[in-house]
Amino acid sequence: DTGVSQDPRHKITKRGQNVTFRCDPISEHNRLYWYRQTLGQGPEFLTYFQNEAQLEKSRLLSDRFSAERPKGSFSTLEIQRTEQGDSAMYLCASSLLGGEVTDTQYFGPGTRLTVL
Amino acid sequence: GNSVTQMEGPVTLSEEAFLTINCTYTATGYPSLFWYVQYPGEGLQLLLKATKADDKGSNKGFEATYRKETTSFHLEKGSVQVSDSAVYFCALRGNYGQNFVFGPGTRLSVLP
Repeated sequence: DTGVSQDPRHKITKRGQNVTFRCDPISEHNRLYWYRQTLGQGPEFLTYFQNEAQLEKSRLLSDRFSAERPKGSFSTLEIQRTEQGDSAMYLCASSLLGGEVTDTQYFGPGTRLTVL
Repeated sequence: GNSVTQMEGPVTLSEEAFLTINCTYTATGYPSLFWYVQYPGEGLQLLLKATKADDKGSNKGFEATYRKETTSFHLEKGSVQVSDSAVYFCALRGNYGQNFVFGPGTRLSVLP
């Protein structure tokens, strides 16, 4: 399977703990995006990378959230001092700038975070 | 800022019925418009897209036409199947940013 993969698929943590999620994009894709989706809502943009550069961050991304894409391949999203309001599905997507079909984002299955 | 509004669900139809899910948007400039589908237990999948006014996107019997005059991108299918049961998201990408703005989603249930 050469799609976008995310790990873990589910994470349960206690309030105040730190969590880290990983996303592996489609191998030739140079853009990588993070979204958050709560029940009954559409995905909300958090941030995106072009290669290893983080080019845009949403105001939703508080200073407890940090994302990296150190070698322009996989990415991690860390949430420090988790709060119950962080409970959501965290989605990763990737796309290819300059490809035949630009702007098409391919989504991973998501990581469901539950903060107790 | 950019925004997307979708008709509220859930929508329940019988097999072979005609489907319309309304989507309207607010954006500056000329956004690209998309429909994504999320089947139970699966990730979001691109269903169709349109990048300029009057373009029609189509896939798997679904169609949507980019109407700039009414700022709409309604999703239609002539004859739905049980396997079409899913949540459908309308989305746009604006000219000046790379992030997508999604609508809240419309849940479709098709009964045999």
